[in-house]
Amino acid sequence: GDSVTQMEGPVTLSEEAFLTINCTYTATGYPSLFWYVQYPGEGLQLLLKATKADDKGSNKGFEATYRKETTSFHLEKGSVQVSDSAVYFCALRTDGNKLVFGAGTILRVKS
Amino acid sequence: NAGVMQNPRHLVRRRGQEARLRCSPMKGHSHVYWYRQLPEEGLKFMVYLQKENIIDESGMPKERFSAEFPKEGPSILRIQQVVRGDSAAYFCASSSSDRDNSPLHFGNGTRLTVT
Repeated sequence: GDSVTQMEGPVTLSEEAFLTINCTYTATGYPSLFWYVQYPGEGLQLLLKATKADDKGSNKGFEATYRKETTSFHLEKGSVQVSDSAVYFCALRTDGNKLVFGAGTILRVKS
Repeated sequence: NAGVMQNPRHLVRRRGQEARLRCSPMKGHSHVYWYRQLPEEGLKFMVYLQKENIIDESGMPKERFSAEFPKEGPSILRIQQVVRGDSAAYFCASSSSDRDNSPLHFGNGTRLTVT
């Protein structure tokens, strides 16, 4: 079945450091790929998405590129802030199906 | 534009009682999904519904759990005879279609505590 694998956390960075959270996937079809963010005590918010190979999703300084050849969708940000501290979930969806999530990666940014 | 609305936000039940969790999807959305999140864990799919139909219930426990999305009114996730292991955050999400590029929009969840 479809699955998503994320790097384990927590990831702890200093403010203004470069962020990478790795995500790889396995899917039988041609999925769309998503990153969601969850702040403490809240639901998930869509951060960005990409719907086909080589697409780049971007939002709030975060970026991820859909790499079909490596089945990856790594999340990056050039300069993190304390307010970026949250849990980040990589997810995929194929036509007619549910969203399948990775286990989530905790990000902690220290000032 | 109201987002996905879930209520109650917090629910406390004693073992053996019933829990009813409600979800109103975003306006114009007819696809509803329920997920469960245990502490320090990711989200596990439970059930996918369209109006009056269950499309995929592969993540639902076989006993005590049921879900519905009637023609009128919110979607309901019902847990009968709750046990301590049911304590979790339950998230509802909705989408406008079942196409792969249609993102899910999540509510803020119902945090169920079973005492």
